[in-house]
Amino acid sequence: SQQGEEDPQALSIQEGENATMNCSYKTSINNLQWYRQNSGRGLVHLILIRSNEREKHSGRLRVTLDTSKKSSSLLITASRAADTASYFCATDIYGGGADGLTFGKGTHLIIQP
Amino acid sequence: DTGVSQDPRHKITKRGQNVTFRCDPISEHNRLYWYRQTLGQGPEFLTYFQNEAQLEKSRLLSDRFSAERPKGSFSTLEIQRTEQGDSAMYLCASSFRNTEAFFGQGTRLTVV
Repeated sequence: SQQGEEDPQALSIQEGENATMNCSYKTSINNLQWYRQNSGRGLVHLILIRSNEREKHSGRLRVTLDTSKKSSSLLITASRAADTASYFCATDIYGGGADGLTFGKGTHLIIQP
Repeated sequence: DTGVSQDPRHKITKRGQNVTFRCDPISEHNRLYWYRQTLGQGPEFLTYFQNEAQLEKSRLLSDRFSAERPKGSFSTLEIQRTEQGDSAMYLCASSFRNTEAFFGQGTRLTVV
């Protein structure tokens, strides 16, 4: 079974609104990473948050991590049409970085112009 | 372009044939990973190299799959006796130690 599970599976919002995606995982982690994937393309790394961090920002992105609840959230503020993509959370298995990262099924985000 | 490159981008093969994919990681990255992704799913971990040593292999990697990284630089993934179930996007990624991974554009395999 997959370690990370994103929620919702699909999300459609109007341009300019904020988008929130959640990720739950099962076992202890060293870090959690969020990636974006445009249709038929490779994955683009967005943010890495370590287990001793609670919040991290990067531009319009805000990631939170609650290790007690084994959950993370990704907030995209002031969404743009170009944000339309699938978003995946990934947790490390073997001790850090991307070695053996386990991905969820992703949240498909559609930004309506 | 100094990112991760994969070749070919697309491959169509007949069932039973062997195929080989190549990945060129970012030059200073010592870690290289292979993932497989099917439609509507997240990437599934296949195997991982640190320099030329193959450190981990997923149980998804059957005996028909083999990966090499002979000089700790580029890597190849070979699938022997392909089956229709092997049809997927094969993704390569690289990283430096425990930092974030950078992915290539993938090789889309179609087995007919």
